[in-house]
Amino acid sequence: EAGVTQSPTHLIKTRGQQATLRCSPISGHTSVYWYQQALGLGLQFLLWYDEGEERNRGNFPPRFSGRQFPNYSSELNVNALELEDSALYLCASSLGDRAGTEAFFGQGTRLTVV
Amino acid sequence: GESVGLHLPTLSVQEGDNSIINCAYSNSASDYFIWYKQESGKGPQFIIDIRSNMDKRQGQRVTVLLNKTVKHLSLQIAATQPGDSAVYFCAEPFTGGGNKLTFGTGTQLKVEL
Repeated sequence: EAGVTQSPTHLIKTRGQQATLRCSPISGHTSVYWYQQALGLGLQFLLWYDEGEERNRGNFPPRFSGRQFPNYSSELNVNALELEDSALYLCASSLGDRAGTEAFFGQGTRLTVV
Repeated sequence: GESVGLHLPTLSVQEGDNSIINCAYSNSASDYFIWYKQESGKGPQFIIDIRSNMDKRQGQRVTVLLNKTVKHLSLQIAATQPGDSAVYFCAEPFTGGGNKLTFGTGTQLKVEL
């Protein structure tokens, strides 16, 4: 069974541009979580989608947004890119949305803003 | 604010020795903790979890200890192998419901041959 897949693996954008990152959860998983991992830092929670709805977001500006499609895949959009948005963006999925349900991570998308 | 943090950013051990990675948390209401391993270029991988009604949980070569009195977690890896070299994160549920997690900064474990 395929794990969580993310695309693209690497993405280079210019400051001010928009970036779109994609995530396909494990089959049957309805919850998708996005995290940002800046170099040398821990993972910071970005967004949580479940059953097509945004359930919660972390402490990030509105230019970070996303959506979840009917097949539970998800997209993260970052508008008006800034240099400090350069990071590894990780997507995770879980079978349910309750705390304690194991979350499985993808390999991440490395976003570089120049 | 609430935070999950680690005492040591880097830990070097000899192959075959036991490793102990520590983690402090500040949210006394947390009832679930997880350890993740992240190898270079990969996403975090679940290692082991523990609920707050337990003090200890063992897995294959790994043991997690929870001391609620001092809000401290530790991950013990027995007979550390080169393949254990990675960054280890402790995590706890993020406030606000759901299964989202708050992660510490991480500890880099380096296994020396």
